[in-house]
Amino acid sequence: AQSVAQPEDQVNVAEGNPLTVKCTYSVSGNPYLFWYVQYPNRGLQFLLKYITGDNLVKGSYGFEAEFNKSQTSFHLKKPSALVSDSALYFCAVRDRNSGYALNFGKGTSLLVTP
Amino acid sequence: EAQVTQNPRYLITVTGKKLTVTCSQNMNHEYMSWYRQDPGLGLRQIYYSMNVEVTDKGDVPEGYKVSRKEKRNFPLILESPSPNQTSLYFCASSTEQGQVGGANVLTFGAGSRLTVL
Repeated sequence: AQSVAQPEDQVNVAEGNPLTVKCTYSVSGNPYLFWYVQYPNRGLQFLLKYITGDNLVKGSYGFEAEFNKSQTSFHLKKPSALVSDSALYFCAVRDRNSGYALNFGKGTSLLVTP
Repeated sequence: EAQVTQNPRYLITVTGKKLTVTCSQNMNHEYMSWYRQDPGLGLRQIYYSMNVEVTDKGDVPEGYKVSRKEKRNFPLILESPSPNQTSLYFCASSTEQGQVGGANVLTFGAGSRLTVL
C-alpha cells in the first residue's frame, strides 16, 4: 500500500522569508513524487515532480523540492515567499511498480503575509 | 487552449435526483480520472479510465458510475445522490498512466461543487 502524509494543515510565513511545506510518503517500491498547487476556485496545477536522478527538483514559480530516500520525505521549498504563493498545496505519490493509483495528501494551506 | 472542462461548476440538488457531471478534454489524453475533495481528507479517487471503454474503481466508487464511450469525454453519474456526496469534484486527464507513463502529469478541470440536500 502507498500513502502520503502532510503533517501541517497550515503554514504561515512572512513575505520574503523562506518557506517549507512538508511531505512524507510510504511505498513498497520506488516512488514517483509530485507537488500540485490549488488556488481559490481553481483546479490543481502541477508544480514539480521527482522521477529519478538528482534529489533536488526545480519546478514552476521558483519552487523546489528535495527527495530524501532515507527519511522518505519530499518537502517543498522556496527561498523567498510571495503573497501570491498563498494557496493549498498537495503532495502525491505513486509506487512505480504497483500500478496506476496516485495517492494525494490531505493538503497544506500556505498563507504568506505581507 | 489545452484544458479539461467540467460542467456544471456549481449544482444544488436533492436526495435521489439523478445527475451527471460532464468532463471533456481536448488534449487527446488516454487517461482520465475523477476525484472528490473534502476538507481534511484531501483528494480521493472515485473512478479512472485508462482508455475508451476501459474504466476501473478508485478508492471511493460507491454511489457513482462512469462511462468512457469517447476518448475526450468521461462523465460522472450519480444515480441517486445522497447528502454524503456533497463535495467538490475534479476531473483530470493525462497521457498514458501505466508502468511506462506513471510519472505523467495530470491536467485538472476547474472543479464542480455539488450540494445534495
